[in-house]
Amino acid sequence: EDQVTQSPEALRLQEGESSSLNCSYTVSGLRGLFWYRQDPGKGPEFLFTLYSAGEEKEKERLKATLTKKESFLHITAPKPEDSATYLCAVQAGGGGNKLTFGTGTQLKVEL
Amino acid sequence: DAGVIQSPRHEVTEMGQEVTLRCKPISGHDYLFWYRQTMMRGLELLIYFNNNVPIDDSGMPEDRFSAKMPNASFSTLKIQPSEPRDSAVYFCASSPVGSDGYTFGSGTRLTVV
Repeated sequence: EDQVTQSPEALRLQEGESSSLNCSYTVSGLRGLFWYRQDPGKGPEFLFTLYSAGEEKEKERLKATLTKKESFLHITAPKPEDSATYLCAVQAGGGGNKLTFGTGTQLKVEL
Repeated sequence: DAGVIQSPRHEVTEMGQEVTLRCKPISGHDYLFWYRQTMMRGLELLIYFNNNVPIDDSGMPEDRFSAKMPNASFSTLKIQPSEPRDSAVYFCASSPVGSDGYTFGSGTRLTVV
């Protein structure tokens, strides 16, 4: 059974204070690892897909990296508007298009 | 493109009543997914369809839950009878074949009292 574990559950940062969120996974044949952002009262919004160990992707202040066992979402010099819940999900080879999600990291960035 | 459209946004119902949640996927998307989100368990896949055919319903909690996709532009998730433990946010999502990611709707917040 595919499993995704995210840590920490919650993270509070000061504006400009860089940090990383962790996503550990076990999956039979990883097809892709996905990061989503979810704002309160809204559906998750797609950020990145990573396909193989060593791959990195960036978007504004966010950078996602992937190893064979985990992924990190690095947040550089965060701003209050980066406050959200960040979700990690895996897609297994042969599993159709379905995603298995972790429970997320709730990030709050304060002035 | 209006995105994935779900209705209603909020539903409050009494235990034992039938509840129907609706979803209109993005036109041209071949896959449709129903997820349930709770604080304790996060996002859980209930069922997904490919070209209107149910592919995997192993996440459907029990026989009280059923889902249909009569055509490419509409799907329903029905709970009958509803119970308080069904209270959650239900999301619909769609994706094309070989997609880089889903597009989620805004969800339906269901409260069963």
